[in-house]
Amino acid sequence: DIQMTQSPSTLSASVGDRVSITCRASQSMSSWLAWYQQKPGKAPKLLIYKASSLESGVPSRFSGSGSGTEFTLTISSLQPDDFATYYCQQYNSYPYTFGQGTKLEIK
Amino acid sequence: EVQLVESGGGLVQPGGSLKLSCAASGFTFNNHAMNWVRQAPGKGLEWVSTITGSGGAIYYADSVKGRFTISRDNSKNTLYMQVNSLRADDTAVYYCAIGRSPYGSYLDYWGLGTLVTVSS
Repeated sequence: DIQMTQSPSTLSASVGDRVSITCRASQSMSSWLAWYQQKPGKAPKLLIYKASSLESGVPSRFSGSGSGTEFTLTISSLQPDDFATYYCQQYNSYPYTFGQGTKLEIK
Repeated sequence: EVQLVESGGGLVQPGGSLKLSCAASGFTFNNHAMNWVRQAPGKGLEWVSTITGSGGAIYYADSVKGRFTISRDNSKNTLYMQVNSLRADDTAVYYCAIGRSPYGSYLDYWGLGTLVTVSS
């Protein structure tokens, strides 16, 4: 099974900041990685797929990069609506696995 | 408009059973794999199971294998999950989610979830 390790677990930042979240896979998985945003009490929302492809309707301040075992989600200029929890997910092979999540908090 | 509406959750005693449903609309159901993902209270996301568009291939997390059974009725645009031998650690919100391709892939739309609580 592919284990996904996200860091940091919590990130404190201010509106306008540039932030990055990292996801590391326990084995190489090409670019079969997705990123999701989840707000309290809501369902997750797809942001990025295939490591760097932006889902339709997602603001361009979100970007993804990486391949193999290391991946990054970057938000170029934080907006108030971006404070949420972010998860990576590998879909290279079953069982699909998620990272443990990164909670993005207002500083 | 894509819609996924889960139902069937509730309070059940340890060892009990439930059948979860996910009614889908707004897309060609049999062109997409369907998934169940759960989230225990205050915890992260856990993939549970995937069924391909035709229903010909099924995958489970080790934590539910042998206790949970995923199925779909493409004539009714509905996904199911029979959950048996429930344990306290199965307590979670259960989401159904659409896979981008018929064979799996990332999850491009999620329902609102149904809460399963396992407690005596």
